Amino acid sequence: RKEVEQDPGPFNVPEGATVAFNCTYSNSASQSFFWYRQDCRKEPKLLMSVYSSGNEDGRFTAQLNRASQYISLLIRDSKLSDSATYLCVVNILSNYQLIWGAGTKLIIKP
Amino acid sequence: DADVTQTPRNRITKTGKRIMLECSQTKGHDRMYWYRQDPGLGLRLIYYSFDVKDINKGEISDGYSVSRQAQAKFSLSLESAIPNQTALYFCATSDSRAAKNIQYFGAGTRLSVL
Repeated sequence: RKEVEQDPGPFNVPEGATVAFNCTYSNSASQSFFWYRQDCRKEPKLLMSVYSSGNEDGRFTAQLNRASQYISLLIRDSKLSDSATYLCVVNILSNYQLIWGAGTKLIIKP
Repeated sequence: DADVTQTPRNRITKTGKRIMLECSQTKGHDRMYWYRQDPGLGLRLIYYSFDVKDINKGEISDGYSVSRQAQAKFSLSLESAIPNQTALYFCATSDSRAAKNIQYFGAGTRLSVL
């Protein structure tokens, strides 16, 4: 079983719709959680950190469920520019390394 | 100018050749990392360095070596390249003083080994 699992997609979503995807992680010692965004053939860039209480950044909402060991990302009022691959990332503090999911590809259609 | 710079951006080489990928950063971060990315797989850590005198193997270090020439420079070498090392390689940095281990990436080097 992969340490961080994501549905690879692609999710094909019309512009303006709301889309959500989840990520599950296997190590209960995971301490920090992030969503990164990666455009085609570009480097990953931090989208947002994920906090236990849930957090929002504009149209983006991230949630963490420690009991079930999953993280979610919700995108409201999706824009064409949201088309990208979204990477779920988990930090296990004991070894200072980030564990990366393979990503979920999102395609927003006009 | 980019905070994390990788050179070259693209490289095509032949099996058995020695290749060096270079990374430099102006972020003042102490930690640096080398990853490779293959289609359908997450980023996989090759090597990481927490300071100039600290080098650690990552998940997939076989066939690779690194050198941390200065706090700002971290290079990755493929001593004898093989076709299954064809991948997209990323260098990243982070700051040990930060509350969270947020990593910042270079633009990547696309390597093809024929």
